[in-house]
Amino acid sequence: QKEVEQNSGPLSVPEGAIASLNCTYSDRVSQSFFWYRQYSGKSPELIMSIYSNGDKEDGRFTAQLNKASQYVSLLIRDSQPSDSATYLCAEGYNQGGKLIFGQGTELSVKP
Amino acid sequence: DTAVSQTPKYLVTQMGNDKSIKCEQNLGHDTMYWYKQDSKKFLKIMFSYNNKELIINETVPNRFSPKSPDKAHLNLHINSLELGDSAVYFCASSQGKWGGQGRRWQPQHFGDGTRLSIL
Repeated sequence: QKEVEQNSGPLSVPEGAIASLNCTYSDRVSQSFFWYRQYSGKSPELIMSIYSNGDKEDGRFTAQLNKASQYVSLLIRDSQPSDSATYLCAEGYNQGGKLIFGQGTELSVKP
Repeated sequence: DTAVSQTPKYLVTQMGNDKSIKCEQNLGHDTMYWYKQDSKKFLKIMFSYNNKELIINETVPNRFSPKSPDKAHLNLHINSLELGDSAVYFCASSQGKWGGQGRRWQPQHFGDGTRLSIL
C-alpha cells in the first residue's frame, strides 16, 4: 500500500505568522496532489490541488510540489485563528483515482 | 445548492442491524467514492464507481455493498452492523481523469458525512 506521511501535530503558530505543513509520498508515478482542510465535525474541504513541480499560489495559500524528493507542502501566510483545523494531504493514486490521505496535521493559530 | 449530499447525517443503531446511507451529487461528475474516517480521523477509501461501474473495492468486509443506480447516486448498504463499523462515512465525487497524460485526477468534493454509531 502506497503511503502518505505528514508531520505529526499539533502545530501551533501565532496569528500573522506563516504556517508550514509538510507531506511526503511513496508512489513515484503519482501526479495529483491535494490539500484539504477539515474543521472538527465537518467534511474535508479542498484548499489546493497541484500537479506540476514548483509553487502554486492561491490567496494566502501556497502549495509546493517536488517530485524528485517526493514531497508536497502547504504554506499559509498571515495565519488567522479561523485557519485552525486539521490539514489533510492527499495523493491521487493512479489506480481508479482514489485519494490516499496522510494522517493529518492539526494546526492551531493563537490570537 | 448542496453539491454532494448524504443522508442521513446521523445514524444510531444496534449491533446486527442492517442500514443504508444515500449519496447524491449534482456536479455532473462521473466518479463517486465512499470513504471511512475512523476515530483517529484517518480517512480511507472503501469503494469507487465510475459511470455506475465499480472500479475500486478495497479490502472491505462483504457486509458492505455499494450500489450506483446512476452516475449521480451512490448508496452504501451495510449488513449485520458491528461495533467496529462506528465511524464517519463520507461520500465524494470527481470528474475522474483529465488531460492528455491520463494519470491526473480532478479533485474530489466531499459530502457532509454520516456519523454511524453502533450501540
